Amino acid sequence: GAVVSQHPSRVICKSGTSVKIECRSLDFQATTMFWYRQFPKQSLMLMATSNEGSKATYEQGVEKDKFLINHASLTLSTLTVTSAHPEDSSFYICSAMVTSGYPYEQYFGPGTRLTVT
Amino acid sequence: GNSVTQMEGPVTLSEEAFLTINCTYTATGYPSLFWYVQYPGEGLQLLLKATKADDKGSNKGFEATYRKETTSFHLEKGSVQVSDSAVYFCALSDQGQGAQKLVFGQGTRLTINP
Repeated sequence: GAVVSQHPSRVICKSGTSVKIECRSLDFQATTMFWYRQFPKQSLMLMATSNEGSKATYEQGVEKDKFLINHASLTLSTLTVTSAHPEDSSFYICSAMVTSGYPYEQYFGPGTRLTVT
Repeated sequence: GNSVTQMEGPVTLSEEAFLTINCTYTATGYPSLFWYVQYPGEGLQLLLKATKADDKGSNKGFEATYRKETTSFHLEKGSVQVSDSAVYFCALSDQGQGAQKLVFGQGTRLTINP
């Protein structure tokens, strides 16, 4: 149980275009999902907390107008990178939080590698 | 604020060697502690966890003990295998901070040679 999927796994887009990444909890409902960014050989940087039915909470320094997050249902959160530029190229990972036990646990998706040309 | 510091890698060992990856933390409350593993090109998988002082988390031969007095959560394995090659992340979550955000260490890349 507690499987999280991401789609697509890889995407290449041209500079100036937008790209949407989906994060789905396959066998559980998640009120809260998280979006991370990981640079090569570095740790995960939390970008934002996505809450079902409300606005996402962005971490300091993350442009909310550039990284649009929509948590439309209890099993789906999307991250849209708008007007992408080469510096947005990165590995994006989502997680979904399970609140049925203690401590609350996050289950991670397999990640999406974005390359902006 | 909360923070996690891991020993710097990369770490390279021979198969069947003993492994220790050090992790220390700073937290204002009483955090839960985690070790995650990331295989190449994949997301993170929870390896083990501990929720209070002196708890020992274990999984797949890996162990870590929550040491409050030394604010540490070192990862150990008695005999590593080539398949253990991955990046290991230590993390904490402070259950008193609302959204239970995870704070990650910088990760330690482990390579096991046959």
